[in-house]
Amino acid sequence: AQSVSQHNHHVILSEAASLELGCNYSYGGTVNLFWYVQYPGQHLQLLLKYFSGDPLVKGIKGFEAEFIKSKFSFNLRKPSVQWSDTAEYFCAVNYPGSARQLTFGSGTQLTVLP
Amino acid sequence: DTGVSQDPRHKITKRGQNVTFRCDPISEHNRLYWYRQTLGQGPEFLTYFQNEAQLEKSRLLSDRFSAERPKGSFSTLEIQRTEQGDSAMYLCASSPSGGVQGEQYFGPGTRLTVT
Repeated sequence: AQSVSQHNHHVILSEAASLELGCNYSYGGTVNLFWYVQYPGQHLQLLLKYFSGDPLVKGIKGFEAEFIKSKFSFNLRKPSVQWSDTAEYFCAVNYPGSARQLTFGSGTQLTVLP
Repeated sequence: DTGVSQDPRHKITKRGQNVTFRCDPISEHNRLYWYRQTLGQGPEFLTYFQNEAQLEKSRLLSDRFSAERPKGSFSTLEIQRTEQGDSAMYLCASSPSGGVQGEQYFGPGTRLTVT
């Protein structure tokens, strides 16, 4: 079955530290890739997306992600986190043949200490 | 607010009762999705509508679950004879035609607790 793996379940960082959250998917062909974020008490919001072109994509709030096809990865990065980045982060993949549904990873809870 | 809305936000019900949730997508979004999210997991796809047509259903959607979108606008998700395992957050999302496949806008969810 097609799947999405997020290996970090909970990450704790101090403000200004750099962030990298891992995401791996299980299909060798063309996929659309997404990172969604859920801030405390809020609904899921799109952070960034990749569907073609430059494998380094930039999203909102200074986040970026790099698509590495050979590693089946789409890792999320931010050079310097802020307390307001505390949230749960979900990687999601739209696999071909799956209509338009998303397959989500289990999420990574990021806690940024002030 | 022009985002996706869901009603109710919370529902507590006794095992065996039927419940119905409503989702209002973003205006003019012709695609609508239902997901279920349990604690510590990401959302899992349940079903997808394009306009009023239900085009895909997950095997997670047992016979006790039914979803409708009669006029291609709002949608309802009904769970009959609820079980404790149905306790979860039920999320609705919508997307426009022509958008990036997989890019969806989510509502706040309905949290169901079955006692």
